[in-house]
Order: sequence, then structure tokens, then C-alpha cells
Amino acid sequence: EVQLVESGGGLVQPGGSLRLSCTVSGFTVSNNYMTWVRQAPGKGLEWLSVIYADGNTNYADSVKGRFTTSRDNYRNILFLQMDSLRAEDTAIYYCTKCLSYGFDIWGQGTMVTVSS
Amino acid sequence: DNRLTQSPSSLSASVGDRVTITCRANEIIRKLLNWYQQKPGKAPKLLIYSTSTLQIGVPSRFSGSGSGTEYTLTISSLQPDDFATYYCQQSHSSPWTFGQGTKVEIK
Repeated sequence: EVQLVESGGGLVQPGGSLRLSCTVSGFTVSNNYMTWVRQAPGKGLEWLSVIYADGNTNYADSVKGRFTTSRDNYRNILFLQMDSLRAEDTAIYYCTKCLSYGFDIWGQGTMVTVSS
Repeated sequence: DNRLTQSPSSLSASVGDRVTITCRANEIIRKLLNWYQQKPGKAPKLLIYSTSTLQIGVPSRFSGSGSGTEYTLTISSLQPDDFATYYCQQSHSSPWTFGQGTKVEIK
């Protein structure tokens, strides 16, 4: 069964760090484009990053230099390292698989709250 | 950034109505435009990718069209399960971006 399961969310203070994981089953992370998308409470969707099959990455301006997307090909896990967190980073974070540049498989999301 | 503007932001419609949502981009996106449906408390679901290709399992009452900077999602006959928020998203140029969403409510 194709499945994405995010974990690692929680409460963190402003300026802190958090690493999200996306455990993948049913397909190989390294053979696909994978992205992170977030949704602040009551707001719309915001694309954050993509990691291509060749390992290259790209980021939204709002997180560039603070967030890093990587993957563990052996364990088939996608990561989002989030540093210098701000209150406006509070959101549900989703990992997704890409199909022809659309996001066809989504995880259930993990909530990140940045607050003192 | 290539901003996507959806219209309307919300609409009220009845079961059986034909519904059209428009997504306009600031720049040409060469049909790399996707549509998602999201229900409260759930992850979004891909409906249509590359402007007009229906994702597997999506009912044929959904269709997409467009070119250049203007794209549309049409629901030919609205069903009770279709009341949700819809988002367009472009993958032509980085950063990939979403529209602000269109909430479809019951009249």
C-alpha cells in the first residue's frame, strides 16, 4: 500500500529547531520528486520545498536558508529540518509525492506550533 | 513568484448545479496547472494534473481546461460529496505556488 506518514511535529519556541520525518511505504523515495507543503490554521496551502530524484532541492522564499529537505534512501524516509522557527511557521506540515508535477499522494500531516 | 488568483473565493451552489472555478496566473505556466480538493480536517486530494488529466478514481463530472495564464475547473453536476475547498497549483516555475482557494458551499 502506498502511504506517507509524517512525524516529528510539536511545540517549539521561537528560534528553535525541529526535524520532521515522512516515512514512505509502497514506492521508492529516491525515484520520485517529493515535496513539503504546509497549511497555517484556517489558511490556504503553501508549497515549501521539492527534492528531485537527482537529489537537487528547491525552496519557497519564505523558508529558504532556514529549512532543509533531505532523504534517507536506505530507510526510504523524507526529512524537513526546520531551523530559526518563527510564529508564522505554525502550521500542519504535509509531505507529498509528485506525479507529473502534481502532488498525488499526501500524508496525514503533522502539526507544528511555534510559541513561547 | 508566479502568483495564482482564484475566482471566486467562495460560492454557494445547489446539488446538480454546474460550477466553474477560474485560476489566473501572473505568468504563462504552459499547462503545468493542477487542481486539488480539500475537506475539513483532511489532506488535500489531487483531482486534475497538467490542466486536464483526471487523476485515477476522480469522477468524470470534474474537468479542467485552459492555457497560457487562465485555467478553469468545472464540476458538471455538483454532488453532495463535492462541497469542499478547491485549490489550483502551478509547477511551471519555482517557487511552485497555490491559489488562495475557493470554498464551495451548499446553497
